[in-house]
Amino acid sequence: NAGVTQTPKFRILKIGQSMTLQCTQDMNHNYMYWYRQDPGMGLKLIYYSVGAGITDKGEVPNGYNVSRSTTEDFPLRLELAAPSQTSVYFCASSWTGETQYFGPGTRLLVL
Amino acid sequence: GENVEQHPSTLSVQEGDSAVIKCTYSDSASNYFPWYKQELGKGPQLIIDIRSNVGEKKDQRIAVTLNKTAKHFSLHITETQPEDSAVYFCAAVDRGSTLGRLYFGRGTQLTVWP
Repeated sequence: NAGVTQTPKFRILKIGQSMTLQCTQDMNHNYMYWYRQDPGMGLKLIYYSVGAGITDKGEVPNGYNVSRSTTEDFPLRLELAAPSQTSVYFCASSWTGETQYFGPGTRLLVL
Repeated sequence: GENVEQHPSTLSVQEGDSAVIKCTYSDSASNYFPWYKQELGKGPQLIIDIRSNVGEKKDQRIAVTLNKTAKHFSLHITETQPEDSAVYFCAAVDRGSTLGRLYFGRGTQLTVWP
């Protein structure tokens, strides 16, 4: 199993541009999550999903959108990039809603 | 929602010494407490967890203790090695009401000097 994979690994965006961060898991997990991690800070939940077709907001959802059309994929969409969205983004998945398996992260820089 | 406080934010120890990281939580309904280790440039990885019906759990050099009355839990690493250097996160969740949503502490940067 590849586990949780994220693409791209690194991206530079200009203010106002849009992009989609991709996340795929091959463990047939129902639960999937998106976090952001700012330098020196912990993980803040952006959105999560308890199954295909079901998503919910986390602590910091503003400026982001998600969809969950399949069990495997959980893309995160940034519509109008802002400097405040410069961060490292982690996708995670879970079978039971307890142990979460994290991807390697996407480093995003908005200039 | 739940609020998890983690201390210290940085910790430096000599190789072979012990390291202790402490966390407190606010929601008495929280009943599952995992610890994650994040190495540089990687995603966090679960290293140990504890449920509210257990007071202590050990796995080789790592142990976690839980005090439900005081609402705090701790990670203990004995005989530290340079490869233990990483950022450690504690988390809490109420499996009954918000199953699937972890609340993380802000992390502890542990440095083990050879």
